[in-house]
Amino acid sequence: TQLLEQSPQFLSIQEGENLTVYCNSSSVFSSLQWYRQEPGEGPVLLVTVVTGGEVKKLKRLTFQFGDARKDSSLHITAAQTGDTGLYLCAGNTGGFKTIFGAGTRLFVKA
Amino acid sequence: KAGVTQTPRYLIKTRGQQVTLSCSPISGHRSVSWYQQTPGQGLQFLFEYFSETQRNKGNFPGRFSGRQFSNSRSEMNVSTLELGDSALYLCASSFDSGRAAETQYFGPGTRLLVL
Repeated sequence: TQLLEQSPQFLSIQEGENLTVYCNSSSVFSSLQWYRQEPGEGPVLLVTVVTGGEVKKLKRLTFQFGDARKDSSLHITAAQTGDTGLYLCAGNTGGFKTIFGAGTRLFVKA
Repeated sequence: KAGVTQTPRYLIKTRGQQVTLSCSPISGHRSVSWYQQTPGQGLQFLFEYFSETQRNKGNFPGRFSGRQFSNSRSEMNVSTLELGDSALYLCASSFDSGRAAETQYFGPGTRLLVL
C-alpha cells in the first residue's frame, strides 16, 4: 500500500514564527503537489514539484522535493494569521492514481 | 479560465433519500476525480473518470456511483443516504495526457448534511 505520511498532524504557533511541514513516503513520485485548504472550501493548489532536489519559493513559502523524490517539505517564514489552514501534500507515482497525505492543520495565533 | 465548479454548494437530506452532485471541470480537462472529506477520515478517494469511463475506484459501497459525460462534466450519486454520509464532497479535475496522473485542481465542494 502506498502511503504519504505528513508531520506534524497539528501545529499551533505565534505569528512571526517559522515552521516546517514534512511529507514522507517509501514510494518514488513523478510529481508532488502541496495544497492549502480553508474550512468548508476545496484545497487550493500551492505548488507542483517534479525534479528531485527542486526548491520552489512562493513569497514566504519554500517547497523542497527530496533528491530521491520520496519526500518533500514546506517551510513557512514569519507565519501570518492568514496562513492558518489545512496543508495537504499529494503525490503521483506515474500511474493514474494520486495519493494524498492526511494533512497538517496549522493555526497561527495573533 | 474558469475553475472547477460544483453544484449545489450545500445540501440537506434525510436518511434513505438519494442525492446527485454535479461537477464541471476546467475547460480542456478530461479527468475528474471525486473525494469525500470528513474531519475524522480526511480526504477519501471515491472514483475517477476519464473519457466517460471509470478508471479508478476507491473502497466505498455500491451506494456511491458516478458518471462522466462527453463534455467531461461529471455527476456522483449516493443512494439510500446514511447519517455517516454527511461530509464535504470534493471534485477535482486534471488535464491528463493519458499517460499518467497529473496535478489536480479542486472545486469548492458540496457540503452534504444527512439528518
